[in-house]
Amino acid sequence: EAQVTQNPRYLITVTGKKLTVTCSQNMNHEYMSWYRQDPGLGLRQIYYSMNVEVTDKGDVPEGYKVSRKEKRNFPLILESPSPNQTSLYFCASSLSPGQLNTEAFFGQGTRLTVV
Amino acid sequence: QKEVEQDPGPLSVPEGAIVSLNCTYSNSAFQYFMWYRQYSRKGPELLMYTYSSGNKEDGRFTAQVDKSSKYISLFIRDSQPSDSATYLCAMTYSGTYKYIFGTGTRLKVLA
Repeated sequence: EAQVTQNPRYLITVTGKKLTVTCSQNMNHEYMSWYRQDPGLGLRQIYYSMNVEVTDKGDVPEGYKVSRKEKRNFPLILESPSPNQTSLYFCASSLSPGQLNTEAFFGQGTRLTVV
Repeated sequence: QKEVEQDPGPLSVPEGAIVSLNCTYSNSAFQYFMWYRQYSRKGPELLMYTYSSGNKEDGRFTAQVDKSSKYISLFIRDSQPSDSATYLCAMTYSGTYKYIFGTGTRLKVLA
């Protein structure tokens, strides 16, 4: 079954404690990206990756890091989380964006609370 | 001003109604337009994907793009309670891998 898997689904952590949210896809997709979803602000792109070892900033990259060492994995790293990073996070993947009929798959989401 | 504007709703309609969902945008460079459906506590799923102006139909769903007015629409015919969800529009253009999403419109179809 084609899917994007995020872990953990729920996480409560304290300010300043480094954490990693993992994302894995089993479709051999080139393109992967991370979003955060906040009430009234919708989905905002944090980082994206066009392929292995190729990443770039989205609209709200501050406070986040990513890496793409393997095609299937795209972890999101919060080196020093702060309460304003409390949000619902989604990972997404697709074959290649900007092409007609490209199916985009989203993970189930990670609800992060930073206290 | 946000690049993409979308009425958050909620929009409540009776079962069987025709639903119209809309987004306006300010960046004339956008070429690719998408509609996603998001059920509560789930990730978004792609519904429709169109390029440039025109209409695209898929079953009960029709997507329209009017680039001259910077306006896109999603129509749902014969709406069902199972269509109750949040609908997000998204846009991008060639040469970028960045997607801009609307804030989403929450739809409730009443049985």
